[in-house]
Amino acid sequence: DTGVSQDPRHKITKRGQNVTFRCDPISEHNRLYWYRQTLGQGPEFLTYFQNEAQLEKSRLLSDRFSAERPKGSFSTLEIQRTEQGDSAMYLCASSLGVGGCTFGSGTRLTVV
Amino acid sequence: KQEVTQIPAALSVPEGENLVLNCSFTDSAIYNLQWFRQDPGKGLTSLLLIQSSQREQTSGRLNASLDKSSGRSTLYIAASQPGDSATYLCAVTSNAGGTSYGKLTFGQGTILTVHP
Repeated sequence: DTGVSQDPRHKITKRGQNVTFRCDPISEHNRLYWYRQTLGQGPEFLTYFQNEAQLEKSRLLSDRFSAERPKGSFSTLEIQRTEQGDSAMYLCASSLGVGGCTFGSGTRLTVV
Repeated sequence: KQEVTQIPAALSVPEGENLVLNCSFTDSAIYNLQWFRQDPGKGLTSLLLIQSSQREQTSGRLNASLDKSSGRSTLYIAASQPGDSATYLCAVTSNAGGTSYGKLTFGQGTILTVHP
Protein backbone atom coordinates (compact mmCIF):
# COMPACT_ATOMS: atom_id res chain seq x y z
CA ASP A 1 0.00 0.00 0.00
CA THR A 2 1.82 3.05 -1.28
CA GLY A 3 -1.06 5.48 -0.83
CA VAL A 4 -2.75 7.50 -3.57
CA SER A 5 -0.36 8.69 -6.28
CA GLN A 6 -0.95 11.61 -8.60
CA ASP A 7 1.06 12.58 -11.63
CA PRO A 8 2.31 15.13 -12.48
CA ARG A 9 2.78 17.15 -9.29
CA HIS A 10 2.87 20.41 -11.21
CA LYS A 11 1.74 21.35 -14.70
CA ILE A 12 2.14 24.69 -16.43
CA THR A 13 0.29 25.00 -19.72
CA LYS A 14 -0.67 27.67 -22.18
CA ARG A 15 -4.29 28.67 -22.49
CA GLY A 16 -6.06 26.57 -25.08
CA GLN A 17 -3.88 23.48 -24.62
CA ASN A 18 -5.19 20.11 -23.42
CA VAL A 19 -3.86 18.54 -20.22
CA THR A 20 -4.28 15.11 -18.67
CA PHE A 21 -3.71 14.10 -15.06
CA ARG A 22 -3.38 10.61 -13.69
CA CYS A 23 -4.37 9.14 -10.34
CA ASP A 24 -3.41 5.72 -8.99
CA PRO A 25 -5.62 4.84 -6.00
CA ILE A 26 -4.90 2.43 -3.18
CA SER A 27 -5.17 -0.94 -4.89
CA GLU A 28 -8.07 -2.42 -2.92
CA HIS A 29 -10.15 0.77 -2.95
CA ASN A 30 -13.19 0.60 -5.21
CA ARG A 31 -14.13 4.29 -5.07
CA LEU A 32 -12.13 7.09 -6.65
CA TYR A 33 -12.91 10.80 -6.35
CA TRP A 34 -11.68 13.95 -8.09
CA TYR A 35 -11.79 17.31 -6.34
CA ARG A 36 -10.64 20.78 -7.30
CA GLN A 37 -9.26 23.31 -4.84
CA THR A 38 -8.54 26.97 -5.44
CA LEU A 39 -6.49 29.17 -3.13
CA GLY A 40 -8.12 29.75 0.23
CA GLN A 41 -11.06 27.45 -0.47
CA GLY A 42 -11.98 23.94 0.57
CA PRO A 43 -11.90 21.19 -2.05
CA GLU A 44 -14.93 21.08 -4.37
CA PHE A 45 -16.30 17.79 -5.67
CA LEU A 46 -15.88 17.15 -9.40
CA THR A 47 -16.73 13.50 -10.02
CA TYR A 48 -16.39 10.02 -8.63
CA PHE A 49 -16.21 6.39 -9.74
CA GLN A 50 -17.26 3.17 -8.14
CA ASN A 51 -15.08 0.60 -9.83
CA GLU A 52 -15.17 1.63 -13.51
CA ALA A 53 -18.58 3.34 -13.38
CA GLN A 54 -18.69 7.13 -13.18
CA LEU A 55 -21.62 7.68 -10.79
CA GLU A 56 -21.83 11.44 -10.44
CA LYS A 57 -20.47 14.56 -12.08
CA SER A 58 -20.63 18.02 -10.56
CA ARG A 59 -22.05 20.96 -12.46
CA LEU A 60 -18.52 22.37 -12.08
CA LEU A 61 -17.41 19.78 -14.63
CA SER A 62 -18.01 21.53 -17.94
CA ASP A 63 -17.95 19.75 -21.29
CA ARG A 64 -14.23 20.49 -21.47
CA PHE A 65 -13.59 18.10 -18.60
CA SER A 66 -13.66 14.34 -18.92
CA ALA A 67 -12.65 11.60 -16.52
CA GLU A 68 -12.17 7.91 -17.02
CA ARG A 69 -11.34 4.91 -14.90
CA PRO A 70 -10.73 2.01 -17.25
CA LYS A 71 -10.93 -1.41 -15.60
CA GLY A 72 -11.61 0.23 -12.26
CA SER A 73 -7.94 0.86 -11.57
CA PHE A 74 -6.18 4.17 -12.26
CA SER A 75 -8.09 7.24 -13.39
CA THR A 76 -7.37 10.11 -15.75
CA LEU A 77 -8.82 13.60 -15.74
CA GLU A 78 -8.52 15.51 -19.01
CA ILE A 79 -9.15 19.21 -19.49
CA GLN A 80 -9.51 20.37 -23.07
CA ARG A 81 -8.92 23.92 -24.26
CA THR A 82 -7.68 25.07 -20.87
CA GLU A 83 -8.69 28.48 -19.54
CA GLN A 84 -7.04 30.61 -16.86
CA GLY A 85 -9.95 29.82 -14.55
CA ASP A 86 -8.93 26.17 -14.61
CA SER A 87 -5.81 27.01 -12.58
CA ALA A 88 -6.19 25.10 -9.32
CA MET A 89 -5.01 22.10 -7.34
CA TYR A 90 -6.64 18.91 -8.60
CA LEU A 91 -6.95 16.32 -5.84
CA CYS A 92 -7.67 12.63 -6.17
CA ALA A 93 -8.89 10.44 -3.33
CA SER A 94 -9.88 6.81 -2.93
CA SER A 95 -11.87 4.80 -0.42
CA LEU A 96 -13.15 1.31 0.21
CA GLY A 97 -16.89 1.77 0.04
CA VAL A 98 -17.84 4.78 2.12
CA GLY A 99 -14.98 4.37 4.53
CA GLY A 100 -12.57 7.20 5.13
CA CYS A 101 -10.99 8.80 2.07
CA THR A 102 -7.26 8.86 1.45
CA PHE A 103 -6.05 11.77 -0.65
CA GLY A 104 -3.10 12.07 -2.98
CA SER A 105 -0.67 14.98 -2.99
CA GLY A 106 -2.52 16.69 -5.81
CA THR A 107 -1.62 18.13 -9.21
CA ARG A 108 -1.18 21.89 -9.30
CA LEU A 109 -2.26 23.29 -12.66
CA THR A 110 -1.24 26.75 -13.79
CA VAL A 111 -2.70 28.06 -17.04
CA VAL A 112 -0.77 31.00 -18.48
CA LYS B 1 -27.69 20.53 -0.63
CA GLN B 2 -25.14 19.89 2.13
CA GLU B 3 -23.23 22.94 3.34
CA VAL B 4 -20.29 22.81 5.71
CA THR B 5 -19.06 25.84 7.63
CA GLN B 6 -15.89 26.16 9.67
CA ILE B 7 -15.26 28.74 12.35
CA PRO B 8 -12.95 30.54 12.84
CA ALA B 9 -11.50 31.11 9.36
CA ALA B 10 -8.10 31.78 10.91
CA LEU B 11 -6.58 31.38 14.36
CA SER B 12 -3.23 32.50 15.74
CA VAL B 13 -2.13 31.25 19.16
CA PRO B 14 1.05 31.02 21.22
CA GLU B 15 2.66 27.64 21.67
CA GLY B 16 1.21 25.51 24.45
CA GLU B 17 -2.39 26.70 24.22
CA ASN B 18 -5.32 24.32 23.97
CA LEU B 19 -7.62 25.23 21.12
CA VAL B 20 -10.93 24.31 19.52
CA LEU B 21 -11.88 24.37 15.86
CA ASN B 22 -15.54 24.27 14.93
CA CYS B 23 -17.40 22.66 12.04
CA SER B 24 -21.13 22.75 11.32
CA PHE B 25 -23.17 21.03 8.60
CA THR B 26 -26.72 21.56 7.41
CA ASP B 27 -27.84 18.02 6.53
CA SER B 28 -27.62 15.43 9.31
CA ALA B 29 -27.83 12.53 6.82
CA ILE B 30 -24.12 11.81 7.06
CA TYR B 31 -22.24 8.55 7.06
CA ASN B 32 -19.15 9.89 8.74
CA LEU B 33 -17.13 13.05 9.34
CA GLN B 34 -13.40 13.47 8.73
CA TRP B 35 -10.93 16.08 9.88
CA PHE B 36 -7.99 16.69 7.56
CA ARG B 37 -4.80 18.68 7.79
CA GLN B 38 -3.34 20.46 4.77
CA ASP B 39 0.11 22.04 4.65
CA PRO B 40 0.66 24.85 2.11
CA GLY B 41 0.72 23.53 -1.45
CA LYS B 42 0.24 19.94 -0.32
CA GLY B 43 -2.47 17.32 -0.35
CA LEU B 44 -4.76 16.37 2.53
CA THR B 45 -3.76 14.19 5.45
CA SER B 46 -6.56 12.47 7.34
CA LEU B 47 -6.42 13.15 11.08
CA LEU B 48 -9.58 11.62 12.51
CA LEU B 49 -12.64 9.81 11.17
CA ILE B 50 -15.83 9.71 13.21
CA GLN B 51 -18.63 7.38 12.15
CA SER B 52 -22.14 8.80 12.45
CA SER B 53 -22.89 6.42 15.33
CA GLN B 54 -19.87 7.65 17.31
CA ARG B 55 -19.56 10.67 19.58
CA GLU B 56 -15.81 11.21 19.51
CA GLN B 57 -12.42 9.98 18.36
CA THR B 58 -8.99 10.62 19.83
CA SER B 59 -5.51 10.44 18.39
CA GLY B 60 -2.63 11.72 20.48
CA ARG B 61 -3.21 15.41 21.25
CA LEU B 62 -6.25 15.53 18.96
CA ASN B 63 -9.83 14.88 19.96
CA ALA B 64 -12.81 15.25 17.66
CA SER B 65 -16.42 15.18 18.75
CA LEU B 66 -19.59 14.79 16.71
CA ASP B 67 -23.14 15.83 17.51
CA LYS B 68 -25.03 14.67 14.43
CA SER B 69 -28.43 15.87 15.59
CA SER B 70 -27.25 19.46 15.95
CA GLY B 71 -24.96 19.27 12.91
CA ARG B 72 -21.75 20.09 14.74
CA SER B 73 -18.26 18.78 15.22
CA THR B 74 -15.29 20.18 17.11
CA LEU B 75 -11.60 19.42 16.83
CA TYR B 76 -9.72 19.93 20.06
CA ILE B 77 -5.92 20.30 19.91
CA ALA B 78 -4.13 20.06 23.24
CA ALA B 79 -0.83 21.76 24.02
CA SER B 80 -0.41 23.24 20.55
CA GLN B 81 3.01 23.26 18.89
CA PRO B 82 4.46 25.29 15.98
CA GLY B 83 4.39 22.09 13.91
CA ASP B 84 0.59 22.12 14.19
CA SER B 85 0.49 25.19 11.95
CA ALA B 86 -1.57 24.24 8.88
CA THR B 87 -5.06 24.46 7.43
CA TYR B 88 -7.59 22.16 9.06
CA LEU B 89 -10.49 20.96 6.96
CA CYS B 90 -13.70 19.29 8.02
CA ALA B 91 -15.59 17.05 5.56
CA VAL B 92 -18.84 15.10 5.85
CA THR B 93 -19.68 11.99 3.85
CA SER B 94 -23.23 11.97 2.52
CA ASN B 95 -25.60 9.22 3.60
CA ALA B 96 -28.27 10.46 1.23
CA GLY B 97 -29.67 8.04 -1.31
CA GLY B 98 -28.80 7.89 -4.96
CA THR B 99 -25.49 8.76 -6.50
CA SER B 100 -24.60 11.28 -3.79
CA TYR B 101 -24.06 8.44 -1.34
CA GLY B 102 -20.49 8.55 -0.10
CA LYS B 103 -19.62 11.96 -1.54
CA LEU B 104 -17.53 14.29 0.66
CA THR B 105 -18.47 17.91 1.19
CA PHE B 106 -15.78 20.15 2.66
CA GLY B 107 -15.76 23.29 4.71
CA GLN B 108 -13.53 26.24 3.81
CA GLY B 109 -10.98 25.35 6.43
CA THR B 110 -9.41 27.02 9.45
CA ILE B 111 -5.89 28.38 9.02
CA LEU B 112 -4.00 27.74 12.25
CA THR B 113 -0.75 29.47 13.16
CA VAL B 114 1.03 28.48 16.37
CA HIS B 115 3.78 30.91 17.43
CA PRO B 116 6.88 29.69 19.28
